[in-house]
Amino acid sequence: NAGVTQTPKFQVLKTGQSMTLQCAQDMNHEYMSWYRQDPGMGLRLIHYSVGAGITDQGEVPNGYNVSRSTTEDFPLRLLSAAPSQTSVYFCASSRFLGPLQETQYFGPGTRLLVL
Amino acid sequence: GIQVEQSPPDLILQEGANSTLRCNFSDSVNNLQWFHQNPWGQLINLFYIPSGTKQNGRLSATTVATERYSLLYISSSQTTDSGVYFCAVIGETSGSRLTFGEGTQLTVNP
Repeated sequence: NAGVTQTPKFQVLKTGQSMTLQCAQDMNHEYMSWYRQDPGMGLRLIHYSVGAGITDQGEVPNGYNVSRSTTEDFPLRLLSAAPSQTSVYFCASSRFLGPLQETQYFGPGTRLLVL
Repeated sequence: GIQVEQSPPDLILQEGANSTLRCNFSDSVNNLQWFHQNPWGQLINLFYIPSGTKQNGRLSATTVATERYSLLYISSSQTTDSGVYFCAVIGETSGSRLTFGEGTQLTVNP
């Protein structure tokens, strides 16, 4: 298994540009999520999904959109990039049994710089 | 929402020393996980431990859910243990949202 993969590894954008961060997992996990990590801080939840066709907002959803058309993929879209969105973005997945997640598996991260 | 506090924020050890990291949370939880972020940024799950005690080699963790805290023990520390240790929880009223603490930065010197 490749686990959780993310592309690209690094991206530079100009203010106002849009882009999509890709995330895929091959573990047949129901639960997938996106986090951002800013310097010296823990991870903050942006959006999450408990299965194909189902998404919900996390702690910091503004400026980001998600969709979940398949179990494997969970892309994160930045509609109009702003310097405040400069961060490291992590995608994660886990099994999801009823209301409970189990162990989360993280991708390697995408470093985004918005100028 | 649920609050997660980790202590200490920074910890410097000599190789071979033992350490205890603490995670306090403000509400009842049904999920608690410990993660290690290595110096290259990769996040690795160490324990899924909403209650009780688990051990994995030199690492062990204990969660006392009724008192709203968890401890991560590192014994005979090695330089490869360096990095940031995060505690993350899902509160019983948080749906399926995982909330992270701000982490403990551990440096193990040779």
